[in-house]
Amino acid sequence: TQLLEQSPQFLSIQEGENLTVYCNSSSVFSSLQWYRQEPGEGPVLLVTVVTGGEVKKLKRLTFQFGDARKDSSLHITAAQPGDTGLYLCAGAGSSNTGKLIFGQGTTLQVKP
Amino acid sequence: DAGVTQSPTHLIKTRGQQVTLRCSPISGHKSVSWYQQVLGQGPQFIFQYYEKEERGRGNFPDRFSARQFPNYSSELNVNALLLGDSALYLCASRHGPGATNEKLFFGSGTQLSVL
Repeated sequence: TQLLEQSPQFLSIQEGENLTVYCNSSSVFSSLQWYRQEPGEGPVLLVTVVTGGEVKKLKRLTFQFGDARKDSSLHITAAQPGDTGLYLCAGAGSSNTGKLIFGQGTTLQVKP
Repeated sequence: DAGVTQSPTHLIKTRGQQVTLRCSPISGHKSVSWYQQVLGQGPQFIFQYYEKEERGRGNFPDRFSARQFPNYSSELNVNALLLGDSALYLCASRHGPGATNEKLFFGSGTQLSVL
C-alpha cells in the first residue's frame, strides 16, 4: 500500500517567516503534485514534479522532488497571510488509473 | 468556461438512507474521479471513470457505486449510509485517462452529513 506522510500537520507562523513542508514515502511515485485547498473549496493544483531531483519555483514557493522520487518538499519564503490554507501532496502511481495518493495535509496559518 | 460543478453542495441524511451525488466535468474532459475527504485528512480515491468505463477503484465497500454518462457527467451513489460516511465528496475531471503530467481539476465538493 502506497502512503504519503506529510509533516508538520499544523503550522502557525508570523508574516515574513520562511517554512518548509515535507512529504515522505517508502514508495516510488511516477510524479508528485502539490495542491492548496481553502475551506469550502476543492484542492487547486500548484505544481507537478516528475523527474527525480527536479526543482520548480512558483513565485515565493519552491518545490523539490527527491532523487529517488519517494519524497518532496515545499518551501515558502517570506510567508504572507494570503498563503494561509491546507497544503496537500499527492503521488501518482505507475498504473494509468489516474489514482492519486494524498498525504493528510498541512494546515498553514500565517498571522499578519 | 465553467469549472467542475457538483450538486448538491450540502446534504443531510440519516443512517441507512441512500444518497446520489452529481458531477459535471469541464467541457471536453472525458475522465471523472471521485474522492472522499474526511475532516482533517487528505482526499481518498474512490473511483475513476474514463469514456464511461471504470478505470480504477479505491478501497471502499460495495455500498459505493458510480457511473459515467454519455455526456461524461457522473453520479456517485452510496447505499445504507453510515455515520462514518460523513465527509466532503470531491469530483475531479481531466481530459485523458490519467497520464503522469495531466492536470486534475477539482470541484468544490458535496458536504455530506449523516445523522
